[in-house]
Amino acid sequence: NAGVTQTPKFQVLKTGQSMTLQCAQDMNHNSMYWYRQDPGMGLRLIYYSASEGTTDKGEVPNGYNVSRLNKREFSLRLESAAPSQTSVYFCASRFTGGELFFGEGSRLTVL
Amino acid sequence: AQRVTQPEKLLSVFKGAPVELKCNYSYSGSPELFWYVQYSRQRLQLLLRHISRESIKGFTADLNKGETSFHLKKPFAQEEDSAMYYCALSVSSASKIIFGSGTRLSIRP
Repeated sequence: NAGVTQTPKFQVLKTGQSMTLQCAQDMNHNSMYWYRQDPGMGLRLIYYSASEGTTDKGEVPNGYNVSRLNKREFSLRLESAAPSQTSVYFCASRFTGGELFFGEGSRLTVL
Repeated sequence: AQRVTQPEKLLSVFKGAPVELKCNYSYSGSPELFWYVQYSRQRLQLLLRHISRESIKGFTADLNKGETSFHLKKPFAQEEDSAMYYCALSVSSASKIIFGSGTRLSIRP
């Protein structure tokens, strides 16, 4: 009963470093999403993947890349981290038309 | 462009009082709307969706297409309702789901 699993849960980076956030779901969902959560800004969609093999930009895609590795996995990469990317990142998945299931979140700090 | 607006960042009410969390949306197509909730130390989870038209934990929400609103209501607040509430809009043609900025509901004893 893992649901949506994100790794790592916490990460501290220096400006300019790169990193990848991993997300995996075991519910056979076709759609996967990455959001960032910032105080006063709510949840903002970074990228999403409606189905395996497709990815689309969300509201705030700049500075990020994604890969839908297979049906289970959807990773988020920061090529050159900036302090503005300090945030809590959430991965989510769902069947088309269904409810979103969220991971526990990954707290990223960029110094 | 699609947009979800939650005008209140914080709403504080006494236990037993009615609660209304506001949500307005902007979308030219046929909207599908949701309310998600994040309790302390728990994952974000679905509270309710407009197509199901059901009441969950005493909460209801009605889609008003004329006013482009989907306000969340509960007649008598309970302390366990304290949480962060997010309104969300599904752009169904693209599987895209966007959220509002959230309202923190605090129930005072």
